[in-house]
Amino acid sequence: GAVVSQHPSWVICKSGTSVKIECRSLDFQATTMFWYRQFPKQSLMLMATSNEGSKATYEQGVEKDKFLINHASLTLSTLTVTSAHPEDSSFYICSARTGADGYTFGSGTRLTVV
Amino acid sequence: GESVGLHLPTLSVQEGDNSIINCAYSNSASDYFIWYKQESGKGPQFIIDIRSNMDKRQGQRVTVLLNKTVKHLSLQIAATQPGDSAVYFCAENIEEDTGRRALTFGSGTRLQVQP
Repeated sequence: GAVVSQHPSWVICKSGTSVKIECRSLDFQATTMFWYRQFPKQSLMLMATSNEGSKATYEQGVEKDKFLINHASLTLSTLTVTSAHPEDSSFYICSARTGADGYTFGSGTRLTVV
Repeated sequence: GESVGLHLPTLSVQEGDNSIINCAYSNSASDYFIWYKQESGKGPQFIIDIRSNMDKRQGQRVTVLLNKTVKHLSLQIAATQPGDSAVYFCAENIEEDTGRRALTFGSGTRLQVQP
């Protein structure tokens, strides 16, 4: 089946630095990927839709200059949290569309900003 | 019983009992729904899905019911096992005017199975 690999699984960074999270489709090509953020005891909130070869579509309230998304190939989308602050600490999850309505999720990245 | 926590409601059941997890979705134009299971520190895991032209779908030990009139979705788990303990989310899929399709997640329910 379709597998999405997300790395790193956890990362700790200092306030003010940038962190890059990778989402790879291992055995299929993903023209569309999605990035979600999940705070403790809350649901997944869609941040942006990443389309290969074009600009990402951000949800309302998500700062596109802070959360940079690059989808330069059919198997890789990256999310860079720029100038991270403690309030950006969260669980970030990517998913890839595998068909008209198929979605496969990565295992998530726990970001802690200290 | 069912209680409302700080953010996630919790459903506690005895091992072997049946569990029913409910979800209210927001958009009447949603045409596809999915139930996910999420264990701590992991990504969501697909359980079962249903399209809007159906009102019931069964899988192995799980059944999803869809009531479009009241925009309600439920997940029934038969003979609940300790390994079923997790947070369960419903998600709705909608196609926007732009043609974009994306999943929107409900608020989630924590299922605790007592041995």
